[in-house]
Amino acid sequence: DAKTTQPPSMDCAEGRAANLPCNHSTISGNEYVYWYRQIHSQGPQYIIHGLKNNETNEMASLIITEDRKSSTLILPHATLRDTAVYYCIVIDGGGADGLTFGKGTHLIIQP
Amino acid sequence: GAVVSQHPSWVICKSGTSVKIECRSLDFQATTMFWYRQFPKQSLMLMATSNEGSKATYEQGVEKDKFLINHASLTLSTLTVTSAHPEDSSFYICSADRVHEQYFGPGTRLTVT
Repeated sequence: DAKTTQPPSMDCAEGRAANLPCNHSTISGNEYVYWYRQIHSQGPQYIIHGLKNNETNEMASLIITEDRKSSTLILPHATLRDTAVYYCIVIDGGGADGLTFGKGTHLIIQP
Repeated sequence: GAVVSQHPSWVICKSGTSVKIECRSLDFQATTMFWYRQFPKQSLMLMATSNEGSKATYEQGVEKDKFLINHASLTLSTLTVTSAHPEDSSFYICSADRVHEQYFGPGTRLTVT
């Protein structure tokens, strides 16, 4: 699976949009981009995934560049409960394999 | 969304004893479940893949005789830490695969004294 690079930490004001970048320059054609988050001392939570089109659900939006070498997770109106470590993971074929977690981005929402 | 539970949520045991952790998919069937371990201030590390009705597949460096995995039904996988030592103290998290999305349990905090 392709390696991802994320900033170690980010701050965002409550109520503002949080934009979390992820680089995956070695992604191959059948690899999906998945985002999970982990709130302290809890299990990770699935957020969203995509292949090449932008995606939106009730939690977030995922913007994937045309060359698919990077993506951005957008939390449109961040709340204090969105403070967590966010992981961007590239998965082959969206298949049922165990996940390789990098260090992720620690997003801190400031009141 | 899909719900995965773990039991117990935390456990303290003495060195040399064994501890069993259960992982259940509550509202869907999962032929494949995964077990992860997370040490403080580190990311999750995949330990093993649990397949219903067959032997688990362990990641390199994970002792299969120490971490026994049983996936006897489509909704239950168990991880038994045998002869636990203080260095096995960690946060153990399971996940279940549902249509190419993994749903994680809340985790089990194991402390070995």
